[in-house]
Amino acid sequence: DIQMTQSPSSVSASVGDRVTITCRASQTIRSWLAWYQQKPGKPPKLLIYAASSLQNGVPSRFSGSGSGTDFTLTISSLGPDDFATYYCQQASNFPVTFGQGTRVEIK
Amino acid sequence: QVHLVESGGGVVHPRTSLRLSCAAAGFTFSTSAMHWVRQVPGKGPEWVALISDDGSNTYYADSVRGRFTISRDDSKNTLYLQMISLRIEDTAVYFCTRVMTDPITDYYLAMDAWGQGTTVIVSS
Repeated sequence: DIQMTQSPSSVSASVGDRVTITCRASQTIRSWLAWYQQKPGKPPKLLIYAASSLQNGVPSRFSGSGSGTDFTLTISSLGPDDFATYYCQQASNFPVTFGQGTRVEIK
Repeated sequence: QVHLVESGGGVVHPRTSLRLSCAAAGFTFSTSAMHWVRQVPGKGPEWVALISDDGSNTYYADSVRGRFTISRDDSKNTLYLQMISLRIEDTAVYFCTRVMTDPITDYYLAMDAWGQGTTVIVSS
């Protein structure tokens, strides 16, 4: 199975900050990576697919980059609605696997 | 608007069975591959199973293979997860999700729609 490792596990930030979350795959997944945002009591919401493609309706302050084994989700200017937990997910091989999550907290 | 509604969850004893349903609306269900994903509160999502758009291919996580069966009824726009021999560790919120597929390669890219989930608690 492909292991997905996110870092950091949590980050404290303020509105307007730039936030970067990384995700590393245990083997190459080319560009088959997605990012999700989840708020308490809600299902995850797709933000980015194919490593860098922005899902329809997602604000442009979210961006994704990377290929192979190392990937990044960047929030260019943290908005008040962005405090949440973020997960990466590889879509290269079965079983589909997720990272353990990064919690973005208010500083 | 895409709408996925799960049902069928509940509190059950170990080694019993349960069938989850997911009613789909707002898109062409028969041309969409679908996943089941589960999540223990406070933990990350765990993929459970996928069924292809035509139902001919299914894939399972090792932890559920042989105990869970994913299926679909396109005439009812409904996805199912039949679960037998339930274990304490199957306790979770179960989500159905739609597969986003690359229009050129048919590659499964991501999960672009999620239901609100149904809770399964396995307890003695």
